[in-house]
Amino acid sequence: DAKTTQPPSMDCAEGRAANLPCNHSTISGNEYVYWYRQIHSQGPQYIIHGLKNNETNEMASLIITEDRKSSTLILPHATLRDTAVYYCIVRFGNQFYFGTGTSLTVIP
Amino acid sequence: DSGVTQTPKHLITATGQRVTLRCSPRSGDLSVYWYQQSLDQGLQFLIQYYNGEERAKGNILERFSAQQFPDLHSELNLSSLELGDSALYFCASRRGTGHTEAFFGQGTRLTVV
Repeated sequence: DAKTTQPPSMDCAEGRAANLPCNHSTISGNEYVYWYRQIHSQGPQYIIHGLKNNETNEMASLIITEDRKSSTLILPHATLRDTAVYYCIVRFGNQFYFGTGTSLTVIP
Repeated sequence: DSGVTQTPKHLITATGQRVTLRCSPRSGDLSVYWYQQSLDQGLQFLIQYYNGEERAKGNILERFSAQQFPDLHSELNLSSLELGDSALYFCASRRGTGHTEAFFGQGTRLTVV
């Protein structure tokens, strides 16, 4: 599986967009990018995933660069409840390998 | 609610003991994954089962074992427990085909004293 690199922490003002970057420069052509988040010690929560096209759902948007070496998760209007650790995972086949993630703090 | 059920939620046991953690996947999900998360650590992949068969192994100790039963529920057995085994243990399930997402349970917090 391709390795991912994320900043260890970020802050975002409540109501503003949170943009969380992820580098996956060794990604191969058939590997998908997945995003999960973990609030405190709860079970990780699925957010979104994509291969090469930008994706949007009710929680977030995923922007993948054309060369697929990096991606950005966008939370359009961050709330205090979005404070969590966000994991970017590149997966092929069956396994999901979690890195250290980005700890996002939404500030009132 | 992810639909994945893990029991028990909390478990306290002594060193040297053996415990069994249970996971019921979402209805229709054939794949089950187990992860370990120690204090302030990331999630470490332990093992995956698909429709009763082991599919992949991660950083799982020899003292740990798992199985998936015909009704698709899974159990993670931890033996000869050490203080360092204290952690959150998560189970996740996935439909098993295609590029689908995995859904996680709320975990079992194991404390070894």
